[in-house]
Amino acid sequence: ELKVEQNPLFLSMQEGKNYTIYCNYSTTSDRLYWYRQDPGKSLESLFVLLSNGAVKQEGRLMASLDTKARLSTLHITAAVHDLSATYFCAVAPSNDYKLSFGAGTTVTVRA
Amino acid sequence: DSGVTQTPKHLITATGQRVTLRCSPRSGDLSVYWYQQSLDQGLQFLIHYYNGEERAKGNILERFSAQQFPDLHSELNLSSLELGDSALYFCASSVGGLENEQFFGPGTRLTVL
Repeated sequence: ELKVEQNPLFLSMQEGKNYTIYCNYSTTSDRLYWYRQDPGKSLESLFVLLSNGAVKQEGRLMASLDTKARLSTLHITAAVHDLSATYFCAVAPSNDYKLSFGAGTTVTVRA
Repeated sequence: DSGVTQTPKHLITATGQRVTLRCSPRSGDLSVYWYQQSLDQGLQFLIHYYNGEERAKGNILERFSAQQFPDLHSELNLSSLELGDSALYFCASSVGGLENEQFFGPGTRLTVL
């Protein structure tokens, strides 16, 4: 069974500082995803990472993938209040489309 | 707005009852997925349909069933409801391919009393 672990589970950020969320997974995977969820809302797709060394950036968020280490990171640069949300990583095993999600990282950005 | 629609938004029912959740995928997407989100279990994959055929099952209870119709909308049927079935149920759709990015609907919040 594919296991996905995120840490930390809770992250209190100070505005303007940089932080990283880590996502480890247990078996070979072709695809890794990052989603954002605001309280009571749906999941918004942020990034799709397909290959070893893949790096994608959107605004203050940058995601990377190391398939050999089975590790993805979501880096937040100069945190702002609007980034407060829960961030999930999800992994699809090879030859399958179903997503296994991490527990989520709840981010709170304070002034 | 992802383009995936789900109805109803909220559903309150009693134990032992049966409910049907409905999902319409984004235009052009042939795959529909159902996920359950609860405080104790997190986000869990339930089932995947592609163009009307079941493709994969996750930890879906026998009391739960789903189908995808010729117009590609999907329904998730939950029967003999228990208190523990209270959760957010999400539908997602995708076009497939290498990335297979899944787009999630707004969800149906089910409360079983």
